[in-house]
Amino acid sequence: EVHLLESGGGLVQPGGSLRLSCAASEFIFSSHALSWVRQAPGRGLEWVSTISTSDGDTYYADSVKGRFTISRDNSKSTLYLQMNSLRAEDTAVYYCVKRKWTGSGFLPFDHWGQGTRVTVSS
Amino acid sequence: QSALTQPASVSGSPGQSITISCTGTSSDVGGYNYVSWYQQHPGKAPKLMIYDVSDRPSGVSNRFSGSKSGNTASLTISGLQPEDEADYYCGSYSASNTPVVFGGGTKLTVL
Repeated sequence: EVHLLESGGGLVQPGGSLRLSCAASEFIFSSHALSWVRQAPGRGLEWVSTISTSDGDTYYADSVKGRFTISRDNSKSTLYLQMNSLRAEDTAVYYCVKRKWTGSGFLPFDHWGQGTRVTVSS
Repeated sequence: QSALTQPASVSGSPGQSITISCTGTSSDVGGYNYVSWYQQHPGKAPKLMIYDVSDRPSGVSNRFSGSKSGNTASLTISGLQPEDEADYYCGSYSASNTPVVFGGGTKLTVL
């Protein structure tokens, strides 16, 4: 069974940084595009970023562009999200998600991690 | 404000059918068959229920079905059961500078 396990969340002050990790197992990690989706408290889902299989193509929501960096280590089956210049509005649960199909593309997200909570507050 | 528009809430009695709409534009829902639906119970991660407008993942009940007409996609749940009570989100590929857009979510209450 596919497993995605996020870590790295926590409490950080505005302007600070965090690095989220997502350890994956039970699928061919290098063959699937991976994404981060977040959910602010009491709010809906918001797509944050996607990285292609080859690590050559990355995509970001306007709200995080220039502050967040997505990356992957196919040798470790691990996805990352480096978050800099954090703001209060970045407070959310961050989910690591896998695209159902191999190759390039975005949707659908067929497996989700349990999420890691990020709180940006002084 | 979400890119896709969903009703905030819908309700139905056990055994009834309900439909949740998801309205976008020709740049997302209307232009591509890449609409998916996600179910989220409180405190849990979302779960894929429908993908590519109307396909159902293995293990998802055939009481769940999807369709699309123009710029509006729909999720229909037939034979409502208490465990269907959850939040439902639609998502779509978008040709805009944001390639993935979601609806604001619909809270389904099973009366």
